Amino acid sequence: QQQVKQSPQSLIVQKGGIPIINCAYENTAFDYFPWYQQFPGKGPALLIAIRPDVSEKKEGRFTISFNKSAKQFSLHIMDSQPGDSATYFCAARGGYNFNKFYFGSGTKLNVKP
Amino acid sequence: DVKVTQSSRYLVKRTGEKVFLECVQDMDHENMFWYRQDPGLGLRLIYFSYDVKMKEKGDIPEGYSVSREKKERFSLILESASTNQTSMYLCASSLRPGGTLGQPQHFGDGTRLSIL
Repeated sequence: QQQVKQSPQSLIVQKGGIPIINCAYENTAFDYFPWYQQFPGKGPALLIAIRPDVSEKKEGRFTISFNKSAKQFSLHIMDSQPGDSATYFCAARGGYNFNKFYFGSGTKLNVKP
Repeated sequence: DVKVTQSSRYLVKRTGEKVFLECVQDMDHENMFWYRQDPGLGLRLIYFSYDVKMKEKGDIPEGYSVSREKKERFSLILESASTNQTSMYLCASSLRPGGTLGQPQHFGDGTRLSIL
């Protein structure tokens, strides 16, 4: 069973729109939540990450919102651009093993010009 | 910049062959990981290693083994390749997490493996 559930599977927005990708988890021992961006033919690259003692983190146009009580977190992309078209993965680290990461199933984002 | 290099971008092998996928990182990271990526399933952990000669099974280790003889190199071995092992394989590395710090994983660009 998937430890981190991600939705939607795919997303299409117009340039300038604000796509939102959601993730949910069950294991309260998770302690670090990164988001990765993957372009075709490339490996995932770290985009932004948050710890559960923070409710929001911004880096440029990318924002993570974190709701610890609901065990949910989401990625918002402000003023989205065609160059943001990629697959996005959320992840969570920890449980009994701090070396191990659990990934969501991915969201394919298409930003139309 | 961290560099994780996977030896092949594309590989085609036959059923029953023993297949080796190689990964090298240049940042002296303690942890190394092998994932497979399939559409709709995200990244699934096969094995990881937190030190030389140390390894732990991930979520889908069946049919695979690993080797870590040197800190910078982590090999994935398909003992007897089968068609259901056709996939994209991703290697990653990270520093060992210390205290409350989160340490991100750095990924290679993947090996697309086809088993015929």
